Amino acid sequence: QVQLQESAPGLVKPSGTLSLTCAVSGGSISSTKWWSWVRQPPGKGLEWIGEIYHSGSTNYNPSLKSRVSISVDKSKNQFSLKLNSVTAADTAMYYCAGKSYYGSGNFDYWGQGTLATVSS
Amino acid sequence: DIQMTQSPSSLSASVGDRVTITCRASQSISSYLNWYQHQPGKAPKLLIYAASSLQSGVPSRFSGSGSGTDFTLTISSLQPEDFATYYCQQGYSTPTFGGGTKVAIK
Repeated sequence: QVQLQESAPGLVKPSGTLSLTCAVSGGSISSTKWWSWVRQPPGKGLEWIGEIYHSGSTNYNPSLKSRVSISVDKSKNQFSLKLNSVTAADTAMYYCAGKSYYGSGNFDYWGQGTLATVSS
Repeated sequence: DIQMTQSPSSLSASVGDRVTITCRASQSISSYLNWYQHQPGKAPKLLIYAASSLQSGVPSRFSGSGSGTDFTLTISSLQPEDFATYYCQQGYSTPTFGGGTKVAIK
């Protein structure tokens, strides 16, 4: 059974960079999945941030594209998110997820989520 | 972006009730529609993919229907463990989610 576990970023200062890593266990990051990041601000709905395939190909939410970078480390079976120039609006629960490469674009696997708070 | 609109945003129901949640896309998405259950402190869980296919391990009281722009998630007989927030998500283009429907105990 594939499991995903996000690292804990804790507190990030405004204008700083939010960095998260998602460790994949029970399966290979080189499988046919898009490895994704999704976030949920307090009291709001889910927002897709972006995704990466094990080849390194990426797709990003246009609304965040200028500030986001997602990378993959196949040797460690993990992938990472960097979000630059953060503000209080980036405070959210951040989830990593695995999305089917084929089919209806469904997110099969999810991590438990980690809270990132942007505050000075 | 394709906008996803869910209704209602919340509902109260009793154990054993039949519950229906609707999701409307701002343009046709064929059957590229998925449903998730999200409980506080837990990872979201895939229930239905491709509009009507039941994810492995999900109880058969959950079902999905629809195509094009209008979709429905039905819980045939609500159980105590079903109280949660439900989201639809389109996979036709850049993924977007509905605003969620919170199912609470009546």
